[in-house]
Amino acid sequence: DQQVKQNSPSLSVQEGRISILNCDYTNSMFDYFLWYKKYPAEGPTFLISISSIKDKNEDGRFTVFLNKSAKHLSLHIVPSQPGDSAVYFCAAPRQGNLIFGKGTKLSVKP
Amino acid sequence: DAGVIQSPRHEVTEMGQEVTLRCKPISGHNSLFWYRQTMMRGLELLIYFNNNVPIDDSGMPEDRFSAKMPNASFSTLKIQPSEPRDSAVYFCATKTQVGNTEAFFGQGTRLTVV
Repeated sequence: DQQVKQNSPSLSVQEGRISILNCDYTNSMFDYFLWYKKYPAEGPTFLISISSIKDKNEDGRFTVFLNKSAKHLSLHIVPSQPGDSAVYFCAAPRQGNLIFGKGTKLSVKP
Repeated sequence: DAGVIQSPRHEVTEMGQEVTLRCKPISGHNSLFWYRQTMMRGLELLIYFNNNVPIDDSGMPEDRFSAKMPNASFSTLKIQPSEPRDSAVYFCATKTQVGNTEAFFGQGTRLTVV
């Protein structure tokens, strides 16, 4: 049972445009969400998070939106840069550990 | 702090051999996680420890896999005997136990079993 789902395995965007990465979850008890970014041959690194008491959290070019009624969150990157090309994972804490989606590979083309 | 340190970075071994992966957590982090990344299953949790005690090992695929955390600064993941389907990247991650804090990952060990 996949409690955190990223249904798009890949996304390609032109440099300067907006990248929108989506994530759905099934467990209504989740109250905190994180996005991680992973480059090849490196471990995932934390990018941004959001608590369920908010519907938006912004950090520079990165904004995460949370729609609790739809059990959906999205990560917006604007403007997208070639250095943003990586795999992005959304995750939610559950009973002390982190449940990850399968990731979306973002390619930003110059 | 140097971050989460994993060794080796790469391991190539023959089927049937024992493999030991090592992790040194960030000082002060009392939760430690072992994840495995594959194309098919993404990042899957194998086991995690709080204060050196295994809390959930339901993700450990078979009895061939075992993990230990003898003290707060060291953990091992052992596969004995190894099989080609164990080939994957294995990550160790650590975090503070309190609250919704992010986990910090090591650079991973790429295991190839031939």
